[in-house]
Amino acid sequence: DQQVKQNSPSLSVQEGRISILNCDYTNSMFDYFLWYKKYPAEGPTFLISISSIKDKNEDGRFTVFLNKSAKHLSLHIVPSQPGDSAVYFCAAIRGDAGGTSYGKLTFGQGTILTVHP
Amino acid sequence: ETGVTQTPRHLVMGMTNKKSLKCEQHLGHNAMYWYKQSAKKPLELMFVYNFKEQTENNSVPSRFSPECPNSSHLFLHLHTLQPEDSALYLCASSQEWGLTQPQHFGDGTRLSIL
Repeated sequence: DQQVKQNSPSLSVQEGRISILNCDYTNSMFDYFLWYKKYPAEGPTFLISISSIKDKNEDGRFTVFLNKSAKHLSLHIVPSQPGDSAVYFCAAIRGDAGGTSYGKLTFGQGTILTVHP
Repeated sequence: ETGVTQTPRHLVMGMTNKKSLKCEQHLGHNAMYWYKQSAKKPLELMFVYNFKEQTENNSVPSRFSPECPNSSHLFLHLHTLQPEDSALYLCASSQEWGLTQPQHFGDGTRLSIL
């Protein structure tokens, strides 16, 4: 049972345009969400995060939106650059004490983003 | 970012071999993690160490044996592995287990079992 899902295996975008990566989750106890970027032959690199008490967090070209009622989050990259081409992982964590998922990062399958010049 | 270093980067071994994966972090963190990433699957948490104590074992077979001698080093000892254990093994660290903070990953060891 996959608790974090990225339903789009890949996304192709033109340079300068907006990239929107989507993520859905099923566990309502998740209260902290992260996006990681991964280049080939490298480990995932932390990109941006959002707490469940917020609905938006922005860092430069990257903005994460959280819709708790829909259990959905998205990562917007504007403007997209060829260097953004990578695999993007959505992850969620349950921050409250107790329970077997306490502190665990649960990852989605990843979305391959390709930004064309 | 080179805060988390994993060696070796690639490892090919037979099913009867014994080998170890090494992870070292220079970030002053107190929690360290082993993850497995199989082809077309999400990253799966294997083990968590917090202040050198194992706090999580995510139902990992005993042919994988972790060791954490101090907060900066983490090992994964491998013996009598199976072909389905071929995967990318990632080490990560964070300030402390349980805090809602990002984990920082190494570049992984690509393991192939013959």
